[in-house]
Amino acid sequence: SQTIHQWPATLVQPVGSPLSLECTVEGTSNPNLYWYRQAAGRGLQLLFYSVGIGQISSEVPQNLSASRPQDRQFILSSKKLLLSDSGFYLCAWTVGDYGYTFGSGTRLTVV
Amino acid sequence: AQSVAQPEDQVNVAEGNPLTVKCTYSVSGNPYLFWYVQYPNRGLQFLLKYITGDNLVKGSYGFEAEFNKSQTSFHLKKPSALVSDSALYFCAVSGSARQLTFGSGTQLTVLP
Repeated sequence: SQTIHQWPATLVQPVGSPLSLECTVEGTSNPNLYWYRQAAGRGLQLLFYSVGIGQISSEVPQNLSASRPQDRQFILSSKKLLLSDSGFYLCAWTVGDYGYTFGSGTRLTVV
Repeated sequence: AQSVAQPEDQVNVAEGNPLTVKCTYSVSGNPYLFWYVQYPNRGLQFLLKYITGDNLVKGSYGFEAEFNKSQTSFHLKKPSALVSDSALYFCAVSGSARQLTFGSGTQLTVLP
């Protein structure tokens, strides 16, 4: 079956520290992968998406970067976190006409 | 460009009453339309989709949605609301299902 794993579930990091969030998908090949951020429990902001290994499109210029080292692995990173990076980060994937499947999310608090 | 509007930030309804969460869209070509639900501190869960076929789509947990091409709307409905339906609901649209645009979300509160 197709599943998506996202970790960690919660993270508290000091300002200026690095960040690495990982997302992996099982049971499918060549998915489109997405990173979203949700602030204050409302709208979704698309950060990055990837249509294949090493192919990353950035939607919003900011303090974050993304990488796709393997077909089913998507990583969100930062070299130095800002307070404004706090939020709920969601990974998603899609294949075909089925819409998106979302991970369970990571609550990041930058202190 | 494609866009989605959810005109209501908050919808309150009494338990047992019917509920409607509104969504209108704009997209070139035939739309792919979706509804997702999000509970606190959780990822979005798929409720239902419209790609083609009958205008009335039935989904999970007793929800349904009606596709109205002339009004470019895809409102989410349920005949009898439950307290457990209280959550954040997102409408999404795409000209193809691989690049969705999400609405701003509607917080549904079902009052006991």
